[in-house]
Amino acid sequence: DTGVSQDPRHKITKRGQNVTFRCDPISEHNRLYWYRQTLGQGPEFLTYFQNEAQLEKSRLLSDRFSAERPKGSFSTLEIQRTEQGDSAMYLCASSLGRERVNQPQHFGDGTRLSIL
Amino acid sequence: AQSVAQPEDQVNVAEGNPLTVKCTYSVSGNPYLFWYVQYPNRGLQFLLKYITGDNLVKGSYGFEAEFNKSQTSFHLKKPSALVSDSALYFCAVRDMYNTDKLIFGTGTRLQVFP
Repeated sequence: DTGVSQDPRHKITKRGQNVTFRCDPISEHNRLYWYRQTLGQGPEFLTYFQNEAQLEKSRLLSDRFSAERPKGSFSTLEIQRTEQGDSAMYLCASSLGRERVNQPQHFGDGTRLSIL
Repeated sequence: AQSVAQPEDQVNVAEGNPLTVKCTYSVSGNPYLFWYVQYPNRGLQFLLKYITGDNLVKGSYGFEAEFNKSQTSFHLKKPSALVSDSALYFCAVRDMYNTDKLIFGTGTRLQVFP
């Protein structure tokens, strides 16, 4: 169990640029979640995948955000035309599926995005 | 809507003393509750969960939590605090009606003084 891996750990970019983050979940986990955490707040749900299917998207996820999990393994989160308000920590988590509903979500160390 | 509340932004305790970090919940149906800890510039680490059964749940690093249905609370406790326990603690409830996503509280910063 190597844990959930996120890359990059930090991203600094200018307003208006596009950014993409990657998450590699724990290998046998079929569920993958993206959360966003701003300073002084708890993580807020963005989107969820079961295998390669994106099953839920939060209203926080504007049309500038897109997430994929093409082969049911790693996932990417892209933000287009970044804005100051996108500055946050983006956390990825994974868990086992419905058969193991009581299993906790395991989090990566996040990608901290700073918009200049 | 399901939610959790952490009424204290910060808790200060001396090393060796017992600690309590408070959490109350609001759910329809049976709650699935979790505690996570976050160290600076790191993700969240799972501490413990309550699904059903005993009201006292034991978790990692000597932490435990007491589920109280009548008070809708799920307070995190540790008999003897360590300086290394200083971190940000989050209570969360699982959304059982959709995707099992977690709904987090705003967090409580625990500061343990030597």
